[in-house]
Amino acid sequence: GAGVSQSPSNKVTEKGKDVELRCDPISGHTALYWYRQSLGQGLEFLIYFQGNSAPDKSGLPSDRFSAERTGGSVSTLTIQRTQQEDSAVYLCASSLSGAISYEQYFGPGTRLTVT
Amino acid sequence: QKEVEQDPGPLSVPEGAIVSLNCTYSNSAFQYFMWYRQYSRKGPELLMYTYSSGNKEDGRFTAQVDKSSKYISLFIRDSQPSDSATYLCATRMGYSTLTFGKGTMLLVSP
Repeated sequence: GAGVSQSPSNKVTEKGKDVELRCDPISGHTALYWYRQSLGQGLEFLIYFQGNSAPDKSGLPSDRFSAERTGGSVSTLTIQRTQQEDSAVYLCASSLSGAISYEQYFGPGTRLTVT
Repeated sequence: QKEVEQDPGPLSVPEGAIVSLNCTYSNSAFQYFMWYRQYSRKGPELLMYTYSSGNKEDGRFTAQVDKSSKYISLFIRDSQPSDSATYLCATRMGYSTLTFGKGTMLLVSP
């Protein structure tokens, strides 16, 4: 079946602009995660949605970052007033639930470059 | 100190070699240990998952966890060029999110 999809695959933006990154999880998966992967920093957790519960935003690096998940499915990560240090690959993952026994399936990522 | 430390490599080996990839972690509360493989321009995919100390084998891959020394290993036997990728170790406490190492790049030459 279809895996996790993300769009766009690449995004180049100017410093100070806002960007929106989209994630379509696997159908039926209630848990959705956003991670950021940058050179030298590895994969860092950003935010976690589980069903209708309040999201875990503990990994968001600043208030310029926000995310929403509409109808328990598609999620959008928004970065306002982008900075050069925001350049990274943004990865989305989904799983059947947030329980440990359920594997997280990753999308291919959105490569963001801030010039 | 990062919670999970991993040598970034690259690690270059000839085809057929036994590969050893390692991570250390600092938080003794971590209970679950995973290895992900990530090909260039792709998302990570789960390779192995273990809960307790000891070994877990799956084909050419063996995951080893030593909780007393907070050490995680992945062994690849009879390595193939198709194994060339970045290998990420990850840990988790209960319902928490994953904490990843930075990844080790492996290059297997034919």
